[in-house]
Amino acid sequence: RKEVEQDPGPFNVPEGATVAFNCTYSNSASQSFFWYRQDCRKEPKLLMSVYSSGNEDGRFTAQLNRASQYISLLIRDSKLSDSATYLCVVRPHGSGNTGKLIFGQGTTLQVKP
Amino acid sequence: ETGVTQTPRHLVMGMTNKKSLKCEQHLGHNAMYWYKQSAKKPLELMFVYNFKEQTENNSVPSRFSPECPNSSHLFLHLHTLQPEDSALYLCASSQYITGTGIEQYFGPGTRLTVT
Repeated sequence: RKEVEQDPGPFNVPEGATVAFNCTYSNSASQSFFWYRQDCRKEPKLLMSVYSSGNEDGRFTAQLNRASQYISLLIRDSKLSDSATYLCVVRPHGSGNTGKLIFGQGTTLQVKP
Repeated sequence: ETGVTQTPRHLVMGMTNKKSLKCEQHLGHNAMYWYKQSAKKPLELMFVYNFKEQTENNSVPSRFSPECPNSSHLFLHLHTLQPEDSALYLCASSQYITGTGIEQYFGPGTRLTVT
């Protein structure tokens, strides 16, 4: 089983749609969670951290379910500029002094006019 | 310069060449990382340096040799690479604090092609 699993997509949605991405992780003691965004042929950029109580940043809402080892990202009112690959990222338990992060394969979103 | 910079942005090298990738961070961070991103694969962590000390080597072949002379600079020395080493090599930095999840910031990457 992969440490971090995502549906690779692609998700093709019209502008204005609401779209949700899911991610599961295998290490139940994982400590920290993030969503990164990666545009084609560019570097990953932090979109948002994911907190246990859930958190929102504008049109983006992240949720964490530790019992199910599940993370989600909801994008409301999709824009053309949201087209990118969204990476689910987990900091595993026991990463000690390494700062190690585990990246999912990414989910590709294509927003159409 | 701001953020994390990497040079060169593109590199084509033969299997017998020796080359080096350079990364510099201008964020005052104390941890730096090398990642490899191949097509259709997740980012793979290669090396981690905290306060200039290597704290992780993720079973990387010896043809990849990292060097971290100070907390702002990170190098990846390459020699006798294989075609399957062609990939995007990304450098990242973070302000590492024990026990907390600190996000990493990435450079633009070096796209390496081994011929």
